[in-house]
Amino acid sequence: QSALTQPPSASGSPGQSVTISCTGTSSDVGGYNYVSWYQQHPGKAPKLMIYEVTKRPSGVPDRFSGSKSGNTASLTVSGLQAEDEADYYCSSYAGNKWVFGGGTNLTVL
Amino acid sequence: EVHLVDSGGGLVQPGGSLRLSCAASGFMFSGYSMIWVRQAPGKGLEWVSYISSDSNTIVYADSVKGRFTISRDNAKNSLFLQMNSLRDEDSAVYYCARETAYAFDQWGQGSLVIVS
Repeated sequence: QSALTQPPSASGSPGQSVTISCTGTSSDVGGYNYVSWYQQHPGKAPKLMIYEVTKRPSGVPDRFSGSKSGNTASLTVSGLQAEDEADYYCSSYAGNKWVFGGGTNLTVL
Repeated sequence: EVHLVDSGGGLVQPGGSLRLSCAASGFMFSGYSMIWVRQAPGKGLEWVSYISSDSNTIVYADSVKGRFTISRDNAKNSLFLQMNSLRDEDSAVYYCARETAYAFDQWGQGSLVIVS
């Protein structure tokens, strides 16, 4: 069982928006502004999409955005595109360790 | 361009040992903390271990504490994971990654470890 809780699946049609939640506790998500999100295509290494809750690394489209409220963080993908279909994982610093969510499989219908 | 190349994986019997390596290039390796993350077949990501840029701070997940040892050689731009007393549940793809701002911004391609 993963430390952070994510829905196992999410879906949306091209052009739509979808939001993936990531629920932790006050010891991880709620306690630090160090939530990050990773995209993983089958057979590939994860790719950093969001760090420090809301920041995007260079090269990540602004269709990807992050937020946090209390112990729950969220990743929103706007203007869905076919290439966004992948697994998405949240992660949080938890004081001398990191924890991941179980992952959400995003399907673009 | 930043590159991280994982190597050293393979098939090992339960109770055996394996040493993973991660060769870094394209950035100042000695200036960054590094981590290992693993992913069991068909499963999610699991953080395994962290080492600071100067090796002064080392942390392990409870699941590997006492069995795995992380280390680095800044002169050779290399990161290592010595894995002892391996169990079936350690079977996974092991990724090295660079830590920046409490996130992991560059990843190796992964090295498959099968304990059987």
